[in-house]
Amino acid sequence: KNEVEQSPQNLTAQEGEFITINCSYSVGISALHWLQQHPGGGIVSLFMLSSGKKKHGRLIATINIQEKHSSLHITASHPRDSAVYICAVKDQGAQKLVFGQGTRLTINP
Amino acid sequence: DTGVSQNPRHKITKRGQNVTFRCDPISEHNRLYWYRQTLGQGPEFLTYFQNEAQLEKSRLLSDRFSAERPKGSFSTLEIQRTEQGDSAMYLCASSFWADNYGYTFGSGTRLTVV
Repeated sequence: KNEVEQSPQNLTAQEGEFITINCSYSVGISALHWLQQHPGGGIVSLFMLSSGKKKHGRLIATINIQEKHSSLHITASHPRDSAVYICAVKDQGAQKLVFGQGTRLTINP
Repeated sequence: DTGVSQNPRHKITKRGQNVTFRCDPISEHNRLYWYRQTLGQGPEFLTYFQNEAQLEKSRLLSDRFSAERPKGSFSTLEIQRTEQGDSAMYLCASSFWADNYGYTFGSGTRLTVV
């Protein structure tokens, strides 16, 4: 079993829909990251969370430390949101990130 | 500062050849990380540096792989005697030393071994 599991692996939705991507992890963490990767490879950091909830524009990220679960929400989705969204966790006491396999999101106009 | 820079962006090489990639991190960041990403998967950790010291290496980093950060600034990742299984995106990231700072990723170097 992977340390970080994301669901769904693929998600296709219509423009304007509310999107939720889930991430579960099995280790104790010091922080959880949500990242966005567009075709071509570049990764952009969206959020770093250790508790609670963060919001940036149409993106909201939440984390439940007790349940070892995080969600990334996109409100009023737009075709430019189409990308791979990756959850990554930083082990307590470690420096490296452990990544989920990513969720490929496609928003159709 | 324009972020984390990786060169080249793409590399096609014949099996058995050596390749070297370069990463220039954000200048104030003293931690530098290398990850490898194969198609359809999330990145996997290879190694990381704090300043010029290589503090952790993954078991994925076989003896054909070597990474250096000689002056604590840019880093190089060399793969000797490349194999087709080395084909992947090689990503570099940098961060401050403190744990509550995020990471900045480069655009990656895509290696294809033919």
